[in-house]
Amino acid sequence: KNQVEQSPQSLIILEGKNCTLQCNYTVSPFSNLRWYKQDTGRGPVSLTIMTFSENTKSNGRYTATLDADTKQSSLHITASQLSDSASYICVVSAGNFNKFYFGSGTKLNVKP
Amino acid sequence: DTEVTQTPKHLVMGMTNKKSLKCEQHMGHRAMYWYKQKAKKPPELMFVYSYEKLSINESVPSRFSPECPNSSLLNLHLHALQPEDSALYLCASSQSGSEAYGYTFGSGTRLTVV
Repeated sequence: KNQVEQSPQSLIILEGKNCTLQCNYTVSPFSNLRWYKQDTGRGPVSLTIMTFSENTKSNGRYTATLDADTKQSSLHITASQLSDSASYICVVSAGNFNKFYFGSGTKLNVKP
Repeated sequence: DTEVTQTPKHLVMGMTNKKSLKCEQHMGHRAMYWYKQKAKKPPELMFVYSYEKLSINESVPSRFSPECPNSSLLNLHLHALQPEDSALYLCASSQSGSEAYGYTFGSGTRLTVV
């Protein structure tokens, strides 16, 4: 069964600290993996997109890693800011045409 | 233009009303999607249009009727909705057949059915 699981469900950190969010998937055949940031009541915004051959990709303070062998990805946020408070969603695309699998997201709360 | 634009941003409608949600993109994407998202849940796929033809319908009730008039526009016609249909409706687009890049979401329409 194609699934995407994220952990933790929620996370509270202090401003300026780093954190790492996890995404494990069983989607097959794998096409690519995306991390999105979603503010409450808004549409998801893409942070990174990774294909099978990519291990690491950065976007400012966001760094995503992908281990296609273990089917795991992580999103590392460096020097967190209050504006990082949001839900972070992992989305895995299967080789099937236009099929995407969503994780349930990690709710991050950055406190001053 | 690298955006997916959704209108209206907010909509309140009665159960007997007929309304439409609109989605527009000018990135040349040939696949467009409708998602429904309830609070604290991930988006759930409703419909996929590819090259202006409906390719996926995830068993959505007929009170939701999608329409793709051209490659840049996607509508969702609403009729006789129920209060449980209240949700954030998201539109997305992508380069059809090339999922690696360009999968972009709109900001959503917050729908409340009263």
